[in-house]
Amino acid sequence: DTAVSQTPKYLVTQMGNDKSIKCEQNLGHDTMYWYKQDSKKFLKIMFSYNNKELIINETVPNRFSPKSPDKAHLNLHINSLELGDSAVYFCASSQDQGATYGYTFGSGTRLTVV
Amino acid sequence: QKEVEQNSGPLSVPEGAIASLNCTYSDRGSQSFFWYRQYSGKSPELIMFIYSNGDKEDGRFTAQLNKASQYVSLLIRDSQPSDSATYLCAVIVGGATNKLIFGTGTLLAVQP
Repeated sequence: DTAVSQTPKYLVTQMGNDKSIKCEQNLGHDTMYWYKQDSKKFLKIMFSYNNKELIINETVPNRFSPKSPDKAHLNLHINSLELGDSAVYFCASSQDQGATYGYTFGSGTRLTVV
Repeated sequence: QKEVEQNSGPLSVPEGAIASLNCTYSDRGSQSFFWYRQYSGKSPELIMFIYSNGDKEDGRFTAQLNKASQYVSLLIRDSQPSDSATYLCAVIVGGATNKLIFGTGTLLAVQP
């Protein structure tokens, strides 16, 4: 039974398109995150939600808009996709904002913009 | 200065040897430290976390923390080819809200 699941696993799209990535966790965690991993494997935090409330919004273009309908779901919508958006996007969750026991990651979504 | 620094490697060790992975961090206030393993094309997987100075052992893995030197390390004893992966050091950075900051990872290659 998958703890943090993301869909789709792969996404290939043209520049200028709009796309969404969905994430769901069944761990009962309060806090969820979006991370971007670039081609050099560097993982950078983008957003964090705690119980549906946005608590972290790093310097991310406003073409990226997260939405959390409830504490088990966190989606990422990207408008007007650019070549530089190509990366692997990971969803993660933690028990609470303190992240005392670290994060559990989803399997990732590989986004390729052509 | 990057918040979490690791040598990118690759670190090559023979099977059965001890692999030593190192990490330094810049935020003196950090209290929680994590090691993740990431196989190629897969998601990061938590191996260990450590909060107190000293050593913490879990099977073949030992995490070591020295807050005075702002240094965290991971030792893997009896390295196996299946340990070949990228090892990510991560540190909780506080402020208004805690967040996990990752290093760029060290690629470990265990040679059979």
